[in-house]
Amino acid sequence: KAGVTQTPRYLIKTRGQQVTLSCSPISGHRSVSWYQQTPGQGLQFLFEYFSETQRNKGNFPGRFSGRQFSNSRSEMNVSTLELGDSALYLCASSFGLAGPTQYFGPGTRLTVT
Amino acid sequence: TQLLEQSPQFLSIQEGENLTVYCNSSSVFSSLQWYRQEPGEGPVLLVTVVTGGEVKKLKRLTFQFGDARKDSSLHITAAQPGDTGLYLCAGRSYNTDKLIFGTGTRLQVFP
Repeated sequence: KAGVTQTPRYLIKTRGQQVTLSCSPISGHRSVSWYQQTPGQGLQFLFEYFSETQRNKGNFPGRFSGRQFSNSRSEMNVSTLELGDSALYLCASSFGLAGPTQYFGPGTRLTVT
Repeated sequence: TQLLEQSPQFLSIQEGENLTVYCNSSSVFSSLQWYRQEPGEGPVLLVTVVTGGEVKKLKRLTFQFGDARKDSSLHITAAQPGDTGLYLCAGRSYNTDKLIFGTGTRLQVFP
């Protein structure tokens, strides 16, 4: 069974631009969660989607948004990029909502200059 | 704010030594997971524990979930260079269902 895939793997953007990241969960998994990882803050929860609906949200500004499609694939969008948004963005999938076992993708390394 | 504190933060040991990593919180979790992450990659799930007092073994790794479901430990026997990486614990909050990650333990095993 293929794992969680994320595209692109690396991205360089300029401050003020917007970016969209994509995540394809493991086949059969219906929940997708997004996390931001930085050296200073560690791994922080952004949001979780299940059946195309956002079910849970972390403490991030409204510039961070996401959506999930009927095939469970998910996208995350960050608008008006700031230097502090430079991070590894990780997507994780699980079978059910808030499932006890999550499987992570390799991440997208975003650099904002 | 729920926190999961891991200790130690850094660990540098010789091959063959034993070590224990601790993951502590004042909050109760419905489940707890341990991950290992290598540079530039996503965390890889090692184990999920869901029952207070549960002990799981994965070859040379032993995981324990505290009786009160607030803490956990990871013990590695006879560490090998391949064990090198960032170890993360993560607890599923009873109250919010969010997955809260620990502060991480960076392990370096020298041959």
